[in-house]
Amino acid sequence: NAGVTQTPKFQVLKTGQSMTLQCAQDMNHEYMSWYRQDPGMGLRLIHYSVGAGITDQGEVPNGYNVSRSTTEDFPLRLLSAAPSQTSVYFCASSRDLSYSNQPQHFGDGTRLSIL
Amino acid sequence: TQLLEQSPQFLSIQEGENLTVYCNSSSVFSSLQWYRQEPGEGPVLLVTVVTGGEVKKLKRLTFQFGDARKDSSLHITAAQTGDTGLYLCAQFHMDTGRRALTFGSGTRLQVQP
Repeated sequence: NAGVTQTPKFQVLKTGQSMTLQCAQDMNHEYMSWYRQDPGMGLRLIHYSVGAGITDQGEVPNGYNVSRSTTEDFPLRLLSAAPSQTSVYFCASSRDLSYSNQPQHFGDGTRLSIL
Repeated sequence: TQLLEQSPQFLSIQEGENLTVYCNSSSVFSSLQWYRQEPGEGPVLLVTVVTGGEVKKLKRLTFQFGDARKDSSLHITAAQTGDTGLYLCAQFHMDTGRRALTFGSGTRLQVQP
């Protein structure tokens, strides 16, 4: 009963380093998304995907890349880490968002610090 | 851009007290979801409200959707320490082809024993 699995749970990077945050879901969900959560700012959408091979930008996409080669996986890449990217990152999945009342299933987050 | 405002930002109460938190939008909701997030975990859906004036109950939690579908409230009766967490409202929107949820900044609730 895994749901949405995010790895790693914690990561410390130096400015300029790159890394990939992993996200996998086992519910055959079409829609997957990445959010970042900063104190007092709720969840802000970075990128999302409505199915394999299809991705689109969210509210705060700069500095991040995504791809969706399979239904199950939706990795988030930081190209050149900056201190402003220190945050908690959440991956979520749901059935097709064509119907607005689909629940989002979230992972437990990756806590990322950029020094 | 549609904005979701939640109030209050922080709330600290004693066990057994009642409380209400609010979610307001600059435009009409098509639907609204409420989530609760506990420390170290991702948000978990509590309820979805769709119809103006709708009221839904989940044990001691009562969710109301405003008649004009621009506001929603969450009322907790006889709060318990297990209700501690961050309460988030989220609105679905689809503009310029983007399909996404917009979240409010949340109400952080601390229930003291």
